[in-house]
Amino acid sequence: GAVVSQHPSRVICKSGTSVKIECRSLDFQATTMFWYRQFPKQSLMLMATSNEGSKATYEQGVEKDKFLINHASLTLSTLTVTSAHPEDSSFYICSARSQRDNQPQHFGDGTRLSIL
Amino acid sequence: GEDVEQSLFLSVREGDSSVINCTYTDSSSTYLYWYKQEPGAGLQLLTYIFSNMDMKQDQRLTVLLNKKDKHLSLRIADTQTGDSAIYFCAESLGSSASKIIFGSGTRLSIRP
Repeated sequence: GAVVSQHPSRVICKSGTSVKIECRSLDFQATTMFWYRQFPKQSLMLMATSNEGSKATYEQGVEKDKFLINHASLTLSTLTVTSAHPEDSSFYICSARSQRDNQPQHFGDGTRLSIL
Repeated sequence: GEDVEQSLFLSVREGDSSVINCTYTDSSSTYLYWYKQEPGAGLQLLTYIFSNMDMKQDQRLTVLLNKKDKHLSLRIADTQTGDSAIYFCAESLGSSASKIIFGSGTRLSIRP
């Protein structure tokens, strides 16, 4: 079964709306979660690393004020796309890795964001 | 720099073996992964290999790693229509193996 839950799976909203996406690790604790963005027919690009209890680390070119990340607990990270515009439409995927052992990252099912 | 490359398309006949190839540049890779993505879905981890291993087999899947040439391959035996998807090669870097770099993905299509 899924070990990382991502919600919602699909969002359609008007330009200017802020959208929050949740990523939960279901049966393990994750001090670090990752947020990726995938454009159609392209690969995943790492946007930021979400650190529990501290600020997220953003990749070059990713606006931290545009993509707000909060990692308030060991099982939950949220990505808020603020004042979304059509160019923010994309597939957003989170991942998490158990801090307990050397297991690979598990990915959520993704959130398809469409801004009209 | 960090770079993972793979061919964009592969077409095989149903029942044949599929071999998807990948090259990477960073010699400090700790894990190498193969993920499967079906249309509109997230990523499914198929298999992974530690950088100190040469080969890993799991049912129909065989992963070969040539560390000297920085080459990774995924072989799918007896390819079925349900194997149609995009396959991403990925590497994780550093001692904590947290940051993952993805290849562009190979779209596997199955011919009857």
